[in-house]
Amino acid sequence: QLQLQESGPGLVKPSETLSLTCTVSGGSISFSPYYWAWIRQSPGKGLEWIASVFYSGSTYYNPSLKSRVTISVDTSKNQFSLKLNSVNAADTAVYYCSRASPVYLGWFDPWGQGTLVIVSS
Amino acid sequence: DVVLTQSPDSLAVSLGERATINCQSNQSVLFRSDNKNYLAWYQQKPGQPPKLLIYWASVRESGVPDRFSGSGSGTDFSLTISSLQAEDVAVYYCQQYYSSPQWTFGQGTKIEIK
Repeated sequence: QLQLQESGPGLVKPSETLSLTCTVSGGSISFSPYYWAWIRQSPGKGLEWIASVFYSGSTYYNPSLKSRVTISVDTSKNQFSLKLNSVNAADTAVYYCSRASPVYLGWFDPWGQGTLVIVSS
Repeated sequence: DVVLTQSPDSLAVSLGERATINCQSNQSVLFRSDNKNYLAWYQQKPGQPPKLLIYWASVRESGVPDRFSGSGSGTDFSLTISSLQAEDVAVYYCQQYYSSPQWTFGQGTKIEIK
């Protein structure tokens, strides 16, 4: 059964870079027909898709965050990562990693448990 | 952008009664070439990630109880719980993938027990 687990600092200072990693177990990222995604949830904005990456490195970004976000994949570690720079209080959220259904780039399943990131000095 | 608006924001329903949540899109999410509605529903319980319930607007994910059903087409959709159980207390979200890879979600509807 596929499982995803987020990891990274729970506290980031304003203007610094948020870095998170999602470790995939129970399946391989390599050569699989799925896009892998980061989604966040904050009280003010609900669920917000951030970015997605294919095992080949192909990426998609939410236009509202694109200038600050980098998503990448490390197939050797079966992981994918998120970097969000120049963070501010509005980036405080629970960050989830997930997998988008193949072919149609449709629904997200499964999801990691999520990791809370607080932006504060 | 495809904007999804859910109604109501919250809903209190008695155990065993029907609960219906609506999701309206600002543009059609029906793809004419395959006649499919590119919409999914999720359930999120406190402290847990969202769980996929329904995709293609009406197809239940494996293992989802049949008291959950999705309906609608084009711009107007509904999620119905035919007989509310205590374990159904949660926040429910719709999500469109018509404009993927620019996915968007509704703002959520909270279901509570009356």
